[in-house]
Amino acid sequence: EAAVTQSPRSKVAVTGGKVTLSCHQTNNHDYMYWYRQDTGHGLRLIHYSYVADSTEKGDIPDGYKASRPSQENFSLILELASLSQTAVYFCASSGGQSQNTLYFGAGTRLSVL
Amino acid sequence: AQKVTQTQTSISVMEKTTVTMDCVYETQDSSYFLFWYKQTASGEIVFLIRQDSYKKENATVGHYSLNFQKPKSSIGLIITATQIEDSAVYFCAMDDTNAYKVIFGKGTHLHVLP
Repeated sequence: EAAVTQSPRSKVAVTGGKVTLSCHQTNNHDYMYWYRQDTGHGLRLIHYSYVADSTEKGDIPDGYKASRPSQENFSLILELASLSQTAVYFCASSGGQSQNTLYFGAGTRLSVL
Repeated sequence: AQKVTQTQTSISVMEKTTVTMDCVYETQDSSYFLFWYKQTASGEIVFLIRQDSYKKENATVGHYSLNFQKPKSSIGLIITATQIEDSAVYFCAMDDTNAYKVIFGKGTHLHVLP
C-alpha cells in the first residue's frame, strides 16, 4: 500500500512567521508534488520535483519554496506566511511518466492569523 | 498551456441511479493521461480510474466507467448504481507529460440522496 505521510496535520501560524510543511513517502517514487486546496479552486500545483536535490515551480509558486533533500522527503516552506496562504496543503507522490497515478497524503490544514 | 475544466459545481442524484460528471481538457500533446480522483468528507483523496489517450476502449473499474471522446477533448466519469458513500468531491486531472506535472479541475461535488 502506497504511503505518503504529512506533518503536521494542522498548524496555526502568525503572519510574517516561517512555516515548514513536511512530506515523507515510502513508495520509492521519483515524483513528488505539493498542492494547495481552497474552496472553489480545486487543487493547484505549487511546486514539484522529479529527482532529489531539484525542484520545479508549479502554477502558483509565489510565496513558497520547496526542498527535496532525498527521494523520500519533500518540504514546502513559507518564509513569510501571509493570511492568503491559509488553506489545506496536500503532498502527493507518483512513479512519473506512464506510472503517474498520484498517491496523496492526508493533508495539512494551515491557518495563518 | 494545458487546462482541465469541470463546469458542474454540484450534482444531486437519488441513490441507485446513474450519474455522469463532465470534464473537458486542453492539450497540445498527442499522447496524454486522464484521471479521476475522489475526495471524501474526511478530506482523503484517492485515485479512481484512468484513461490513456491512445486507448480507444473506455476504462472501467467496478461501478466507475469513463466516456472518453477524444475529438471533443472530453472525459466524463459515469457512476452506475450510486450509493450514499459515493457522496464526495470528484476531480478530473490530466498529466502534462512535457512538464512532468499533473493538473486538476476545480471538482464536482456529488450528493447521493436516499
